[in-house]
Amino acid sequence: EAGVAQSPRYKIIEKRQSVAFWCNPISGHATLYWYQQILGQGPKLLIQFQNNGVVDDSQLPKDRFSAERLKGVDSTLKIQPAKLEDSAVYLCASSFGTGMDTIYFGEGSWLTVV
Amino acid sequence: AQTVTQSQPEMSVQEAETVTLSCTYDTSESDYYLFWYKQPPSRQMILVIRQEAYKQQNATENRFSVNFQKAAKSFSLKISDSQLGDAAMYFCAYRSADSPGTYKYIFGTGTRLKVLA
Repeated sequence: EAGVAQSPRYKIIEKRQSVAFWCNPISGHATLYWYQQILGQGPKLLIQFQNNGVVDDSQLPKDRFSAERLKGVDSTLKIQPAKLEDSAVYLCASSFGTGMDTIYFGEGSWLTVV
Repeated sequence: AQTVTQSQPEMSVQEAETVTLSCTYDTSESDYYLFWYKQPPSRQMILVIRQEAYKQQNATENRFSVNFQKAAKSFSLKISDSQLGDAAMYFCAYRSADSPGTYKYIFGTGTRLKVLA
């Protein structure tokens, strides 16, 4: 079974530039999550989709971050303009979204803002 | 709101020995799930073990077992016969059970485990 795919794996940008991360969840998984993990901290949920609808985006800095999930499958997370404090690993995860559910993570996209 | 606390930023264990990682949580819900995830340097989070709150029996997966104390809201992870490959960050996670499709996972701050040869 293919896992959660993310790209790019690494990105270095200057502050005020923009960046986009892509995620392809496990086939059949209705729920998709984007987490931000700053070095030394646990993952923090940015946004959660159920199919192509947003379930929770309460911690998404909406003035600079945006996310969409086209057709309930792939998702893109965009940051514009980036700030130094956005340097983190952006983890995409997915789950079936029903019953005794396990969340599966991708390898993450490492962002460095200089 | 639910919270997850891991009070040990770092732990060390000698190879082949046993180590216990602590986790406490706070919730007003009666039905939920608890997880331990391992994150090696590659950063990919890997599920280690999970526990259903309504089950009294502690979950076990090979060398990994948990001590789930629901009344105390404690969920510790015991790693027996520690191996060098166990070295990683370990995250405790809580999953609420509001309704299907809205499950939210809350992670602790992690414990870095070092395994000494």
